[in-house]
Amino acid sequence: AQKITQTQPGMFVQEKEAVTLDCTYDTSDPSYGLFWYKQPSSGEMIFLIYQGSYDQQNATEGRYSLNFQKARKSANLVISASQLGDSAMYFCAMREAGSNYKLTFGKGTLLTVNP
Amino acid sequence: DGGITQSPKYLFRKEGQNVTLSCEQNLNHDAMYWYRQDPGQGLRLIYYSQIVNDFQKGDIAEGYSVSREKKESFPLTVTSAQKNPTAFYLCASSISPLTREQFFGPGTRLTVL
Repeated sequence: AQKITQTQPGMFVQEKEAVTLDCTYDTSDPSYGLFWYKQPSSGEMIFLIYQGSYDQQNATEGRYSLNFQKARKSANLVISASQLGDSAMYFCAMREAGSNYKLTFGKGTLLTVNP
Repeated sequence: DGGITQSPKYLFRKEGQNVTLSCEQNLNHDAMYWYRQDPGQGLRLIYYSQIVNDFQKGDIAEGYSVSREKKESFPLTVTSAQKNPTAFYLCASSISPLTREQFFGPGTRLTVL
């Protein structure tokens, strides 16, 4: 079974609008962390935001926020006020305490921001 | 500037040849990782090292080997036993396996002809 599922292969958004990228996860480990990374066409992975399983509040980092719904096992990334430079692949990842802290990635969502 | 370097950016090799991809970091990080990325796919962990002279297999270690003789360096050898070596390879590091963020290098695109 997939541990991380990103159901949107591609998304389009108009510049300055908000967009939500979906991520659902599967784990029985009570201690885990969820990550979002951005991969521009250059290939480098850029860390965006982190949410711990015990964190009470949703994580926010500038224009990025994570909509964490633990009971539904979802960790959607919200990008507010989209910019042209946000066009990239976005990956959701999970790290379970019981997996020796390895990161498991989803297949990604390609976001295109239109002017 | 602190960071992770991977060289070269593009690498071409003939089938049946071993090839070594370099990864160097000057961030003083203990943990280092190698990932493979295929088109349209997420990253998959090949090997990781939590400390010098120690490393563990990831999810797809077959056909690969690593060494960690120095804290700064974690080279990956793609051997002839790896059936589909053409891929994008990313190296990463973190202060420790427990820290939140892994810093990634720019990657090496390996093409086996």
